[in-house]
Amino acid sequence: EAGVVQSPRYKIIEKKQPVAFWCNPISGHNTLYWYLQNLGQGPELLIRYENEEAVDDSQLPKDRFSAERLKGVDSTLKIQPAELGDSAVYLCASSSDGPTDTQYFGPGTRLTVL
Amino acid sequence: GQQLNQSPQSMFIQEGEDVSMNCTSSSIFNTWLWYKQEPGEGPVLLIALYKAGELTSNGRLTAQFGITRKDSFLNISASIPSDVGIYFCAGQRTGTASKLTFGTGTRLQVTL
Repeated sequence: EAGVVQSPRYKIIEKKQPVAFWCNPISGHNTLYWYLQNLGQGPELLIRYENEEAVDDSQLPKDRFSAERLKGVDSTLKIQPAELGDSAVYLCASSSDGPTDTQYFGPGTRLTVL
Repeated sequence: GQQLNQSPQSMFIQEGEDVSMNCTSSSIFNTWLWYKQEPGEGPVLLIALYKAGELTSNGRLTAQFGITRKDSFLNISASIPSDVGIYFCAGQRTGTASKLTFGTGTRLQVTL
């Protein structure tokens, strides 16, 4: 069974540019998560989807971050415009039957903002 | 956001040694999880604990859910080079759905 797929794996952009990350969860997983992981820290939840619905986006900086999960499968996380402090690893995770099920993480996208 | 306190921050040990690390919180969790993250990869679940006082093993790994529900411990016995990585604890509360609060991580280095 394929794991969580993320692309790109690495992205280098200049500040004020837009950037987008893509996630394909494990087949059949209804719940999808986006996490932010700063260097030397543990992951922090940005947003959680149950199918197409964003059920927890309280930690998403909505002035510059947006996310969507059309059709309840793949998801895209966007930053516009990017700031220097956005340099981090963006992790996607998915789980099957809901909030108490095991979360499986993708390899992440490492973003560097110059 | 909130991060749980993990100690030690890093460890350098020799192959074959046992390792102990812990995770503490100022508030109660109903579930404790331990993940391992290797360079360029996402965290991988090692052990899940669901009951205060629970002791669970996964091969050479043993984890315990603290009685107070504010801490958890992970032990690795007879370490090997492939144990190298960053170990994260994560806590989950009932009523906050799937929100995981992660620790700051313990970086483990194993020398031959």
